[in-house]
Amino acid sequence: GAVVSQHPSWVICKSGTSVKIECRSLDFQATTMFWYRQFPKQSLMLMATSNEGSKATYEQGVEKDKFLINHASLTLSTLTVTSAHPEDSSFYICSAREGAGLTDTQYFGPGTRLTVL
Amino acid sequence: DQQVKQNSPSLSVQEGRISILNCDYTNSMFDYFLWYKKYPAEGPTFLISISSIKDKNEDGRFTVFLNKSAKHLSLHIVPSQPGDSAVYFCAASRVNFGNEKLTFGTGTRLTIIP
Repeated sequence: GAVVSQHPSWVICKSGTSVKIECRSLDFQATTMFWYRQFPKQSLMLMATSNEGSKATYEQGVEKDKFLINHASLTLSTLTVTSAHPEDSSFYICSAREGAGLTDTQYFGPGTRLTVL
Repeated sequence: DQQVKQNSPSLSVQEGRISILNCDYTNSMFDYFLWYKKYPAEGPTFLISISSIKDKNEDGRFTVFLNKSAKHLSLHIVPSQPGDSAVYFCAASRVNFGNEKLTFGTGTRLTIIP
C-alpha cells in the first residue's frame, strides 16, 4: 500500500522557537495533502488542505501566519509552527491523497508529537 | 460542535465474537463515510467506506452499515481477532468538489480479549 512518512516523529522545543514538520508520500504523487492535529482523547481536527503549487486552504480558527504550509512538490509538504507556545503542543498528522476525488483514499503519516516547553 | 460522535470511548470483546462499533452524525449533508483504524504512535489506516446511496458495504471480516434516517453507521468485525485491538475512528464527508474534507469522530478503543 501507499506509504506516507513524517519527520521528525517527535520534537521538543522552547517556547518562541519555530518547528518544521515534513510530510512525504514515498511511492506515489500526492495531488492533495492534509494536515491534522489531535489533542489527547479527541478526534483528528483538520487544520488545512494543500495542493501542490498553490496556497493552502485553512480551516476556520486556524491561524495561517502561525501554521505555515508549503506544498513544494507532489511528494513533499511541510508544516512550520512559528513562534511555538505550550498550547501548540499536540500530535500533528499529515495525510496524502493521490487522486482528486473524495473517494480516493487518504493515506496517513505516522504523526509528529510536538512538545513546547 | 462535534458533528461526528462515537459515544463509546472503549469496547472489549472476546476473541472470535462480533465487535460492533457505532458512530452517529448530525450533519445531514454528509454523504460519504469511512472507518479508520489507528495503532499507538501511528497514523490512521483506511479500513472501509460507504456512500450514502448504499446501506451496507462488506470487505472480508469488516462490514459497515449505514442508516441515513437515523444518521447512524456501524462497523461490524467478525470474527474479532487480537490484531484488531486498536482505536477506530469513523469519518464523514460531503462530496463537494474542491472541498472534500473529512470530519472525524473521537474514536473508540477496541480491545480483543484472547
